[in-house]
Amino acid sequence: QVHLVESGGGVVQPGRSLRLSCEVSGFTFRKYVMHWVRQAPGKGLEWVAVIEYDGTKTFYADSVRGRFTISRDNSMNMLYLQMNSLRVEDTAIYFCARVGFEYTSSSLDFWGQGTLVTVSS
Amino acid sequence: DVQMTQSPSTLSASVGDRVTITCRASQSISDYLAWYQQKPGKAPKLLIYHASNLEIGVPSRFSGSGSGTEFTLTISSLQPDDFAIYYCQRYNSYSVMFGQGTRVEIK
Repeated sequence: QVHLVESGGGVVQPGRSLRLSCEVSGFTFRKYVMHWVRQAPGKGLEWVAVIEYDGTKTFYADSVRGRFTISRDNSMNMLYLQMNSLRVEDTAIYFCARVGFEYTSSSLDFWGQGTLVTVSS
Repeated sequence: DVQMTQSPSTLSASVGDRVTITCRASQSISDYLAWYQQKPGKAPKLLIYHASNLEIGVPSRFSGSGSGTEFTLTISSLQPDDFAIYYCQRYNSYSVMFGQGTRVEIK
């Protein structure tokens, strides 16, 4: 079975950093494009970042570009999101998600349960 | 960036009703459109991909249609388990985007 498990969330002060992790199992991780998506309390879904299956390409939402970095370790089946210069408006549940087809961008067929990041002084 | 506009934002309906949600793209995205259902405290669940393809395990009362800039999600006969928030998502490029969501409430 496909499983995605996020970790690393918590409470952090504005301006500080946090690294989220997503451990995956049940599929050949190195073949799939992966995304981070977030959801602020009571709000809709906001796409954050994407990384190509081999890690060679990354893309970011305007709201996080220059502050967040998505990366992956295909040998360890791990996806990461390094978040620097955090702002109050980054407070959200962060989900990692897998695309539905190998080696290409697609809809997101499997999601983790999410990890909560709270940015507050 | 191609913007996604979803309507209505809230929909009140009764069990057994036929429900339709619309998603419009600011420019053509071919059929690179997905629909998700989200319930409180849970991750989104994929319902439809490539505009009209039903994800495995999703009940057949859900259907999607459209291409280019206008898309619809239809629930043919609303069931109690269907009261949730629904999102469209375009994925015509690596940088994807979600619609604002439609809350389906009990009338």
